[in-house]
Amino acid sequence: LAKTTQPISMDSYEGQEVNITCSHNNIATNDYITWYQQFPSQGPRFIIQGYKTKVTNEVASLFIPADRKSSTLSLPRVSLSDTAVYYCLVPGYGQNFVFGPGTRLSVLP
Amino acid sequence: NAGVTQTPKFQVLKTGQSMTLQCAQDMNHEYMSWYRQDPGMGLRLIHYSVGAGITDQGEVPNGYNVSRSTTEDFPLRLLSAAPSQTSVYFCASSADRRMSSYNSPLHFGNGTRLTVT
Repeated sequence: LAKTTQPISMDSYEGQEVNITCSHNNIATNDYITWYQQFPSQGPRFIIQGYKTKVTNEVASLFIPADRKSSTLSLPRVSLSDTAVYYCLVPGYGQNFVFGPGTRLSVLP
Repeated sequence: NAGVTQTPKFQVLKTGQSMTLQCAQDMNHEYMSWYRQDPGMGLRLIHYSVGAGITDQGEVPNGYNVSRSTTEDFPLRLLSAAPSQTSVYFCASSADRRMSSYNSPLHFGNGTRLTVT
């Protein structure tokens, strides 16, 4: 059963780049890695998804090394509005997504 | 597109009462699921469905029932509410029942905050 490990919390300042690393040591060959963002009182929102190497969209970048045992979400030049909980997901229980506690990112002025 | 719509937004129940949390999606998604989120924790899967007429249990199914008579709707029933079911409940849907596929990102509703006294 694939499981993910992320830091519980991180602090950053506005304008900095933030990198959140997730370990997933039992990921299957064809599994995608997906990241979600959750603001208070809202449901999680899809940010980015990747399979290998690097994926970039208008919000973030996702770096996946060749061994695929980890992945890193990169948020360029964060602002106060990026304060949220970030979840790294891989398929797990019965091919469903298993959410860990996520990483609580606090962006300070 | 409204996406995933959950009703009600808030609900207070007494122990032993029953109720149904509604979830509807207008994206013609095959996959739908229910999660609960307790303070400071991640989401735990309650039940899920890979299509109309098909449901299955997740990590924490006890005390909850689901049915999927249409593609659009996936209601969650609390049979006899208990204080341990106080939580925020999220419904989610996905275009692809295969969770590892590229097309599988989940779309979430904004949740139902349930308090059982």
